[in-house]
Amino acid sequence: QVTLKESGPVLVKPTETLTLTCTVSGFSLSNARMGVSWIRQPPGKALEWLAHIFSNDEKSYSTSLKSRLTISKDTSKSQVVLTMTNMDPVDTATYYCARISSGYDLRFDYWGQGTLVTVSS
Amino acid sequence: DIQMTQSPSSLSASVGDRVTITCQASQDISNYLNWYQQKPGKAPKLLIYDASNLETGVPSRFSGSGSGTDFTFTISSLQPEDIATYYCQQYDNLPPTLTFGGGTKVEIK
Repeated sequence: QVTLKESGPVLVKPTETLTLTCTVSGFSLSNARMGVSWIRQPPGKALEWLAHIFSNDEKSYSTSLKSRLTISKDTSKSQVVLTMTNMDPVDTATYYCARISSGYDLRFDYWGQGTLVTVSS
Repeated sequence: DIQMTQSPSSLSASVGDRVTITCQASQDISNYLNWYQQKPGKAPKLLIYDASNLETGVPSRFSGSGSGTDFTFTISSLQPEDIATYYCQQYDNLPPTLTFGGGTKVEIK
């Protein structure tokens, strides 16, 4: 059974760095064609893709947020970590991690439940 | 970056109605277009991939079509459980990036 679960702080202060962890089970991050993305959704708004990491450790980032994002993985722990620097109240959102099992055909077949992060002083 | 314009932003239809949502890309994306359903408080669910392929286990009343810049998502007979927001999502391989449309909220009239 494939599952993904996000974890991290529920509240961060402006200018702080956010670190989120996605722990996966039911598949290996080292399997060919596997990858994990981070996607966020501000309250009442649309989905926004943030970053992706592939099984070969190739990474890609949203153009608009690239300077603030870092994605990495620890295959032995089945975890994908996203850091976002210089947090602002507009970054308040539910953050999801999602799996791609189709290589460079970027479609998400499994999602985590999401974690709401609020940015406030 | 490729922009996705999804319309309408919301619609209201009766049970049994045919519902159509469109998504337009700012440039040719071939068939690199997926559709998701998101119910309130839940994560999105993949319905259609590569413009017209039905994901395993998804009811056949959902369908997709299109290529290039113009795409259509259809619910052939709206059911009460289809109340949700629907998103299109395009992707590119070089480099591997993607964009979501703005979403369409579907309600029952």
